[in-house]
Amino acid sequence: AQSVTQLDSQVPVFEEAPVELRCNYSSSVSVYLFWYVQYPNQGLQLLLKYLSGSTLVKGINGFEAEFNKSQTSFHLRKPSVHISDTAEYFCAVSLNQGGKLIFGQGTELSVKP
Amino acid sequence: EAGVTQFPSHSVIEKGQTVTLRCDPISGHDNLYWYRRVMGKEIKFLLHFVKESKQDESGMPNNRFLAERTGGTYSTLKVQPAELEDSGVYFCASSQAGGARYHYGYTFGSGTRLTVV
Repeated sequence: AQSVTQLDSQVPVFEEAPVELRCNYSSSVSVYLFWYVQYPNQGLQLLLKYLSGSTLVKGINGFEAEFNKSQTSFHLRKPSVHISDTAEYFCAVSLNQGGKLIFGQGTELSVKP
Repeated sequence: EAGVTQFPSHSVIEKGQTVTLRCDPISGHDNLYWYRRVMGKEIKFLLHFVKESKQDESGMPNNRFLAERTGGTYSTLKVQPAELEDSGVYFCASSQAGGARYHYGYTFGSGTRLTVV
């Protein structure tokens, strides 16, 4: 069975500092990988996705993630965060086009001035 | 284009009552999904419609939950009778049907926060 682990439940960081949110997955087959963000009182918004090809994926709002097959990881990074990046971030996988998403537990990013 | 719409946004009901949640997917999206997040836990899959057919309902917790998708358009999720442990945020998502080589991704609604007291 597939599973997703987000290694940090909460990440506090100061504004303009770099941040990395960690995600590891477990699967015996190839997967599609996603990062979603949920701002306070809003729904889930797609940040980026990895389907195939280049292992470095760029998303919205200056975020990027790198797929590492040997380490089964898909960590999310941003070189300089803003207060407005404060939100909960979810890593997820799906096995196939149109299949269900399996989510990690979520990481709360708190950006302080 | 309009996004995925869910209503109500909030619902507070008493244990034993019935509640119906509604989801309007993006027009033309054949795939519709329901997910739930119980407080403090991860977002979990409930079920997947392709048009009006249930493709995968492996995540439905028990027979108190009934999902329908009339005519392959909007979907409803009914909880009857509601129990305290049903409290949480219910998300709906939709996606286009795609070929084997492409994954269009999923668009989520804002969710319905259900509180059973």
